[in-house]
Amino acid sequence: NAGVTQTPKFQVLKTGQSMTLQCAQDMNHEYMSWYRQDPGMGLRLIHYSVGAGITDQGEVPNGYNVSRSTTEDFPLRLLSAAPSQTSVYFCASSYSSSGGDREQFFGPGTRLTVL
Amino acid sequence: GQSLEQPSEVTAVEGAIVQINCTYQTSGFYGLSWYQQHDGGAPTFLSYNALDGLEETGRFSSFLSRSDSYGYLLLQELQMKDSASYFCAVRRKADKLIFGTGTRLQVFP
Repeated sequence: NAGVTQTPKFQVLKTGQSMTLQCAQDMNHEYMSWYRQDPGMGLRLIHYSVGAGITDQGEVPNGYNVSRSTTEDFPLRLLSAAPSQTSVYFCASSYSSSGGDREQFFGPGTRLTVL
Repeated sequence: GQSLEQPSEVTAVEGAIVQINCTYQTSGFYGLSWYQQHDGGAPTFLSYNALDGLEETGRFSSFLSRSDSYGYLLLQELQMKDSASYFCAVRRKADKLIFGTGTRLQVFP
């Protein structure tokens, strides 16, 4: 299993540009989520999904969109990049949204800089 | 609202024992998780407590008191490789994880 994969690893954008961060998992996990981590900070939840076709907002959803058309993929779209979105973005997945496994598996992260 | 508090930094020497505390305020509490993150890396799961008491996994143990809204991570027989940031995270409904700001542990020889 590849686990949770994210692309790209690094990205530089100009203010106003849009882009999509890709996330995929091959563990058949129901739950997927996106976090951002700013220097010296914890992870803040952006959006999450409890299954294909179902998404919801986290703590800091503004400026981001998500969709979940398949169990495997959970892309994060930046609509119009702003310097405040410079951060490291982590995608995570876990087996079940209720009961059972509690471990979230994280991808390697995407380091985004907005100029 | 919701908040988690943990110390920003802890230092210790190899072979020692260190405890990292976490206090939280949140609604819809399901459990408390702990994650480790090395510089430049992704967070990795260490432990999860849904019920009061101590959970032991090798050199690491985690404790939860729901009535006190308090938990801690205990690291024994510290090794240099344990130098990392440690995050407590409250699990709310639908597996929403809300993370603390992290405790940076530095282990010295």
